[in-house]
Amino acid sequence: AQSVTQPDIHITVSEGASLELRCNYSYGATPYLFWYVQSPGQGLQLLLKYFSGDTLVQGIKGFEAEFKRSQSSFNLRKPSVHWSDAAEYFCAVGPGGGATNKLIFGTGTLLAVQP
Amino acid sequence: DGGITQSPKYLFRKEGQNVTLSCEQNLNHDAMYWYRQDPGQGLRLIYYSQIVNDFQKGDIAEGYSVSREKKESFPLTVTSAQKNPTAFYLCASRQPGTTNEKLFFGSGTQLSVL
Repeated sequence: AQSVTQPDIHITVSEGASLELRCNYSYGATPYLFWYVQSPGQGLQLLLKYFSGDTLVQGIKGFEAEFKRSQSSFNLRKPSVHWSDAAEYFCAVGPGGGATNKLIFGTGTLLAVQP
Repeated sequence: DGGITQSPKYLFRKEGQNVTLSCEQNLNHDAMYWYRQDPGQGLRLIYYSQIVNDFQKGDIAEGYSVSREKKESFPLTVTSAQKNPTAFYLCASRQPGTTNEKLFFGSGTQLSVL
């Protein structure tokens, strides 16, 4: 079955510390992978996406993610977290090619940032 | 500025009542989507529309209905048949093209049952 797993429901980091949010997927074909961020009471915003090519992708707000096919993972990282990064983060996987209706979202990781 | 506008921000439904959530976009996107978000769960697709006057059921369409009479508008009706409607509803549209896939989201409507 196709699925996306975000093992960490809630993570707390100190401001200025590094961050890694985990995402593991199970997908039959070559996946298109996405990370979205959601501020409280708001919609989601795309942080970055991976379709092909370089497995380390850069996104907005200083985020990056690395696609590791052997580990079926697409972890999100940031070297130094800012208080404004507190939000919920969703990993998603899909077939691409415009088939957004087949996009599968993870359950999200809620990030809290301590001063 | 281009974007997606959802209204109202908060909505309350009485027993047996149908309610309609509005979604308008000025991004000139053909494809639009409705998602339901429950705490601790990922987004689940309710309905989607790839083009005007056409729409398809998503994974959890029961108890919901939609229309797509205009490119800019994709309203969602939560009918009385939806027994557990309390959730955060998100409307989205997709940037055209198949190799630059990106969803644009509205700011959502929180629906609660009275």
